[in-house]
Amino acid sequence: GQNIDQPTEMTATEGAIVQINCTYQTSGFNGLFWYQQHAGEAPTFLSYNVLDGLEEKGRFSSFLSRSKGYSYLLLKELQMKDSASYLCAVRAGSNDYKLSFGAGTTVTVRA
Amino acid sequence: DSGVTQTPKHLITATGQRVTLRCSPRSGDLSVYWYQQSLDQGLQFLIQYYNGEERAKGNILERFSAQQFPDLHSELNLSSLELGDSALYFCASTQDLSGNTIYFGEGSWLTVV
Repeated sequence: GQNIDQPTEMTATEGAIVQINCTYQTSGFNGLFWYQQHAGEAPTFLSYNVLDGLEEKGRFSSFLSRSKGYSYLLLKELQMKDSASYLCAVRAGSNDYKLSFGAGTTVTVRA
Repeated sequence: DSGVTQTPKHLITATGQRVTLRCSPRSGDLSVYWYQQSLDQGLQFLIQYYNGEERAKGNILERFSAQQFPDLHSELNLSSLELGDSALYFCASTQDLSGNTIYFGEGSWLTVV
């Protein structure tokens, strides 16, 4: 089975930086994804990591360590619109293309 | 707009009834996924189809079934509905089996009363 853990909630100030950690234990590994989801809306794709290291996309960066079963999503220069749930998801195998999601981290950005 | 279209957006029905949720994937996408999101749970994978064939099955109840048609649209059928089936049902699509960007539709809100 798949076990994906991330903190339930985080709060940060506008303009600050927040790091959302995700640890996973899965039967295989073929990629780690981060999605952003505003309440009642569809998840939107943020990033994809399959090799160790840091992937940077504007204000968002994602890091992966496969040996540690660990990833983080870094949100810089926080804006009020970044208040949302951030979902960590793992694709487990080369023949198993579904994503298994963590429960999500609700980030609240305060002025 | 992800390009994935789901209908209906909202649905209220009584326990014991049956509903069908419809999904049109992005143009050119062959793979369709169905996910369920309840208030107290994260996104739960239900089932995946690729080019009309079932590829993977998650914790989908026997009361639920799905199919993908030759034009690649998919339907999720939920029968003998229970209160606990109230959830947001998402459809997602990718171009092929190993697509690294999975696009989600806006979801269908199902309320069972």
